[in-house]
Amino acid sequence: GDSVTQMEGPVTLSEEAFLTINCTYTATGYPSLFWYVQYPGEGLQLLLKATKADDKGSNKGFEATYRKETTSFHLEKGSVQVSDSAVYFCALSDWGTNAGKSTFGDGTTLTVKP
Amino acid sequence: DVKVTQSSRYLVKRTGEKVFLECVQDMDHENMFWYRQDPGLGLRLIYFSYDVKMKEKGDIPEGYSVSREKKERFSLILESASTNQTSMYLCASSPRDGSLAKNIQYFGAGTRLSVL
Repeated sequence: GDSVTQMEGPVTLSEEAFLTINCTYTATGYPSLFWYVQYPGEGLQLLLKATKADDKGSNKGFEATYRKETTSFHLEKGSVQVSDSAVYFCALSDWGTNAGKSTFGDGTTLTVKP
Repeated sequence: DVKVTQSSRYLVKRTGEKVFLECVQDMDHENMFWYRQDPGLGLRLIYFSYDVKMKEKGDIPEGYSVSREKKERFSLILESASTNQTSMYLCASSPRDGSLAKNIQYFGAGTRLSVL
């Protein structure tokens, strides 16, 4: 079956540091890939997405590139802010999946200190 | 904006009680989902529904049931609450329109349930 593996957290960075959160996946088909973010006390919301190999998703300074050859979708940001402190989830969804189901990673908690 | 509303942010219940968690979405989405979120375990799918009165088991359906009588509402039912069901419960919805959009899920703020 499908699975998503994220780097274990928590991750603590100083403001303006470079961020990478690793994500690798296994899928039976050709999935779409997503990063969701969960701010404290809230539900998840979509951060960015990519639908095919070499696509780059980007939003709010975050980027991730769909790498089919390495089955990876690592999240990066050049300069993090305190407001980026949240839990980040990598996810995939196969086109053939019934009802738009997604498979989520375990989440990585990011804390950014001033 | 899509809005997914969960009826309660916090609930405290006793062991053995029947518990209803309600979720309503306002974007006419066909698909709805219930997850539980626990530290170190990420999101685990309990049940999902792709149409009114249709439901399918997710990865951890034991001890839960669901109801979808109207398109906008998806209820999670704990028939007899137990302490190991203390968790954060998240509801989500997504459209089924044949495009990538159907794969994006929209989440409610969550219900933190404590079973004593």
